[in-house]
Amino acid sequence: EVQLVQSGAEVKKPGESLKISCKGSGYSFTSYWIGWVRQMPGKGLEWMGIIYPGDSDTRYSPSFQGQVTISADKSISTAYLQWSSLKASDTAMYYCARHSALGGWYDYWGQGTLVTVSS
Amino acid sequence: DIQMTQSPSSLSASVGDRVTITCQASQDISNYLNWYQQKPGKAPKLLIYDASNLETGVPSRFSGSGSGTDFTFTISSLQPEDIATYYCQQYDNLPPTYTFGQGTKLEIK
Repeated sequence: EVQLVQSGAEVKKPGESLKISCKGSGYSFTSYWIGWVRQMPGKGLEWMGIIYPGDSDTRYSPSFQGQVTISADKSISTAYLQWSSLKASDTAMYYCARHSALGGWYDYWGQGTLVTVSS
Repeated sequence: DIQMTQSPSSLSASVGDRVTITCQASQDISNYLNWYQQKPGKAPKLLIYDASNLETGVPSRFSGSGSGTDFTFTISSLQPEDIATYYCQQYDNLPPTYTFGQGTKLEIK
């Protein structure tokens, strides 16, 4: 069974750093792109970027380029999303999702990680 | 950048009703259009890929159609468990971009 399990909720202060994780299982982790999607409170879905764990090839949405870093450790089947200096506007639910090998859709999703940034 | 315009933003319908949601792209996207369902407090779930293909395990009351710039998502007979927000999503490969529509919140009347 394909599963993406994300790390737990985080509460941080502005200016702090953070790295959240997404662990894949039940499939060949290195053979599928993993994407990250933001959902701000009460809002819609926004695509942030994508990584191919096999070789760490990473692409970012222009809206998020330079704001976050996406990485992966294929030895432990885990993808990451990190911030070096959080802002209150980073408060959101963040989802990882597996990109289908057949086309541009996301066929399996993590449960989400809620990040709250507040002073 | 390709913009996706999804309508309506909210919709109230009765059990058994036929429900239709539309998504319009700002330029031709062929059939590169997917539909997701997001129930409250849950992650999105893929329902339809490449405009009209039903994801495995998804009930046949869900369907999609369209190509080019205009797309339609239909629930043929609304069920209580279909209460959710529905999103369209387009994709392009070069460079990889994925754009979601604004979402349609579906409620039971």
